[in-house]
Amino acid sequence: SAVISQKPSRDICQRGTSLTIQCQVDSQVTMMFWYRQQPGQSLTLIATANQGSEATYESGFVIDKFPISRPNLTFSTLTVSNLSPEDSSIYLCSAGLWGGEQYFGPGTRLTVT
Amino acid sequence: AQKITQTQPGMFVQEKEAVTLDCTYDTSDPSYGLFWYKQPSSGEMIFLIYQGSYDQQNATEGRYSLNFQKARKSANLVISASQLGDSAMYFCAMWGNTGKLIFGQGTTLQVKP
Repeated sequence: SAVISQKPSRDICQRGTSLTIQCQVDSQVTMMFWYRQQPGQSLTLIATANQGSEATYESGFVIDKFPISRPNLTFSTLTVSNLSPEDSSIYLCSAGLWGGEQYFGPGTRLTVT
Repeated sequence: AQKITQTQPGMFVQEKEAVTLDCTYDTSDPSYGLFWYKQPSSGEMIFLIYQGSYDQQNATEGRYSLNFQKARKSANLVISASQLGDSAMYFCAMWGNTGKLIFGQGTTLQVKP
C-alpha cells in the first residue's frame, strides 16, 4: 500500500486568488491523479499527473484553471486558479501502480469566500 | 465507455447484521479492476477491497467481501457484522485500459444501534 499526504488539509480563500495543493507519496508510483468532490457529490477526475510532462486533463477541466506539476514519481501539485465560490470542494490526490490498487490522500477542503 | 452504477442512494442496517451494497459496471475492456472505498464524514477516502477481472475467487478483506459476478457485470460489497463505525458513504469504482478510476454515485450507509 501507499501512504499519501496532502497539504493543506483545508483552507479558506478569497475570490480571485489561487491555492496550491501538494501531494506526497511515500513510495514510487506510476499513476497520480487529482479529483474534485463537490458537496454531496461523487468524485470527478480532473487530470492525470504525468511525470515531467504536461498533465492530461478530463473534459471540462483546463490547464489555465488547474495547472498541475509532477516533477518526480512521488510528488505532485495542483493549483486552483482565479478562485470563485463554485470552486469550493474537496480536492483529492490519488496514487498507485498501473492496473492495481489506488490510494487517496486525506483531501483538501477548500472554501472560497 | 466505462460506467459504474450504484442504485441505492441510502441504506439502513441494524448493528451486527450483514448488508449488501450494489454496484454494476459496464466496460468493453477485457482487463479491468473494481474497487470499493469508504468515505466517512471526515472526507478521507479509505480503500476497502479490490477485485481484478481475471481473479478467480471473490476478494475478501476482514469483514468486507466483494461478490463478483462477471457475467452479470456486478461487484457488490458485502459487509458482515455491521458496526456503528461503518456508517459512511461507500463508493464503487473501476479502472480500465486508461488506468483512470471511474466512480459510481455512492451509497450512504447508516448503521442503527
